[in-house]
Amino acid sequence: GAVVSQHPSRVICKSGTSVKIECRSLDFQATTMFWYRQFPKKSLMLMATSNEGSKATYEQGVEKDKFLINHASLTLSTLTVTSAHPEDSSFYICSARRLPESTEAFFGQGTRLTVV
Amino acid sequence: GQNIDQPTEMTATEGAIVQINCTYQTSGFNGLFWYQQHAGEAPTFLSYNVLDGLEEKGRFSSFLSRSKGYSYLLLKELQMKDSASYLCAASDSNYQLIWGAGTKLIIKP
Repeated sequence: GAVVSQHPSRVICKSGTSVKIECRSLDFQATTMFWYRQFPKKSLMLMATSNEGSKATYEQGVEKDKFLINHASLTLSTLTVTSAHPEDSSFYICSARRLPESTEAFFGQGTRLTVV
Repeated sequence: GQNIDQPTEMTATEGAIVQINCTYQTSGFNGLFWYQQHAGEAPTFLSYNVLDGLEEKGRFSSFLSRSKGYSYLLLKELQMKDSASYLCAASDSNYQLIWGAGTKLIIKP
């Protein structure tokens, strides 16, 4: 199967600072990457869909200015949590698909963000 | 609206068989996925069904009935390591994945 690498796996930051999370497809080109947030004992909540070379499509209720997504190449998408607050603490997961119609989404390892 | 329903939690005994059900309502349909997720980890792919019927893959099997909007994941010869959450997700007409809340499976010795 294809490999998606997400970094860092864990990060602790101070309130008010920004954190960047990287998602890389290591052995395939991902035209589309997805960013999810997961709360404890809850399912995945899609935050945004990022397409290479274009602006991300954000889900309703997700603040674009707070969660900056950049998909600069076919193998890299980044999520930056700006001016983080304790309520942003969560598990963030990216996934990538070779094509939008691809049958399988490959997930990164996830990033546990703790804002103190 | 689009909706996925699956039980919140199930308990089963090591060595037994368990069936996790999932019903879905989506705008269009392009397949049904099952993922396994251990606590603190990202989901891992288990199966994909787009045609009616049963797909068997080792100890795990997945079934789909498109007319009923229904799927199940069948786990045989349960092992302690199968304790995890199992997520059902349906692909809609835009190939967007609609996720269920997940079923936490507890395996007892």
